[in-house]
Amino acid sequence: NAGVTQTPKFRILKIGQSMTLQCTQDMNHNYMYWYRQDPGMGLKLIYYSVGAGITDKGEVPNGYNVSRSTTEDFPLRLELAAPSQTSVYFCASSYPPDRSYYSGANVLTFGAGSRLTVL
Amino acid sequence: AQKVTQAQTEISVVEKEDVTLDCVYETRDTTYYLFWYKQPPSGELVFLIRRNSFDEQNEISGRYSWNFQKSTSSFNFTITASQVVDSAVYFCALSEYNTGNQFYFGTGTSLTVIP
Repeated sequence: NAGVTQTPKFRILKIGQSMTLQCTQDMNHNYMYWYRQDPGMGLKLIYYSVGAGITDKGEVPNGYNVSRSTTEDFPLRLELAAPSQTSVYFCASSYPPDRSYYSGANVLTFGAGSRLTVL
Repeated sequence: AQKVTQAQTEISVVEKEDVTLDCVYETRDTTYYLFWYKQPPSGELVFLIRRNSFDEQNEISGRYSWNFQKSTSSFNFTITASQVVDSAVYFCALSEYNTGNQFYFGTGTSLTVIP
């Protein structure tokens, strides 16, 4: 059971280049998320998905695109990379929330992170 | 407006001291969930606890305890007899049942435990 797997772990891009951060999970979670973490700023939600074929914008979606063709995969695409996109990116997944006290639902499981530098 | 506020940016304590990390949240949803995550220097994010809005019982897990008070919209985290391995950034987070399960994270509290 691998959990949430992100690739690559590190990447350096030049301004204007494009790339895709890959994320896959093997827990059959419906919900998947992409966050970025900037120093001292906590985690900001970029995009999320509640199931295959459904995606929605989070707080900071500009400059990014996502797709969700399968339950397992949720790639994040950076188009025309800019220095402002230098950050650590985390993919996460969860079950939907429910009102059960003892449920493990909606606990986020995170990938190990991808450190992206745009020069 | 910030939905989750962690006013303490950095805290340093000497090993074996107790330390409390504060978290204040804001929501209009009647059903919500509160979380604490730990991010050690290695960078991964580790789940510590989840609390439902309809259960205000405090919880203790070993040296960790959590105090949830709806009256003050706070969900504070106490580490008793701190250890060097507790050095990490700790994030408090809120998820609202009726808003698509988006998570809102605080800016984190960086805890350094000095040996």
